[in-house]
Amino acid sequence: SQQGEEDPQALSIQEGENATMNCSYKTSINNLQWYRQNSGRGLVHLILIRSNEREKHSGRLRVTLDTSKKSSSLLITASRAADTASYFCATDPNTGNQFYFGTGTSLTVIP
Amino acid sequence: DAGVIQSPRHEVTEMGQEVTLRCKPISGHDYLFWYRQTMMRGLELLIYFNNNVPIDDSGMPEDRFSAKMPNASFSTLKIQPSEPRDSAVYFCASSPPPGSYEQYFGPGTRLTVT
Repeated sequence: SQQGEEDPQALSIQEGENATMNCSYKTSINNLQWYRQNSGRGLVHLILIRSNEREKHSGRLRVTLDTSKKSSSLLITASRAADTASYFCATDPNTGNQFYFGTGTSLTVIP
Repeated sequence: DAGVIQSPRHEVTEMGQEVTLRCKPISGHDYLFWYRQTMMRGLELLIYFNNNVPIDDSGMPEDRFSAKMPNASFSTLKIQPSEPRDSAVYFCASSPPPGSYEQYFGPGTRLTVT
């Protein structure tokens, strides 16, 4: 399978704490994206990191990429109850525009 | 912009019936993707189009599945005949021309085949 795998599968934290999710993939990639999915909704793009980048920030989000280990991490700082959702990584092993999504991490932020 | 529009939002049908799911991508987006999401298999890419042309349909599970994009503003995913194992949430997503890669997802169609 070309899908990535997120770890952990589920994560529960208190509001204000930081949340870290990891993604591992199998083949070389051009780009890696992170998406959020609220219950019963479509996925929403959060951030893209290119294979030649090691770290990227967007607001309370910090993404790292280690191509040697074929892994990425998503850090959400100062979490809020509204961050409760599933988070997916997506990778593009080919030159086309298709991305393959991982299995997701379910994050619960307790108020 | 209204975003990606999918219809219907929910579909319940009996095994053997034909099911047609519809999608209207965001205007100006060159790419359109169909995904299926289940608890067991996660989010699977079924097929994607570039400028209305199917590029990769290797994810389409069987010949019972077919997808068309007759113009830049409309696509359909058809299942004929439907089976209970087709029950899933089907998402359509669109993406701007190459260089952006960000995909905009519709709200999904929840299909239940009894």
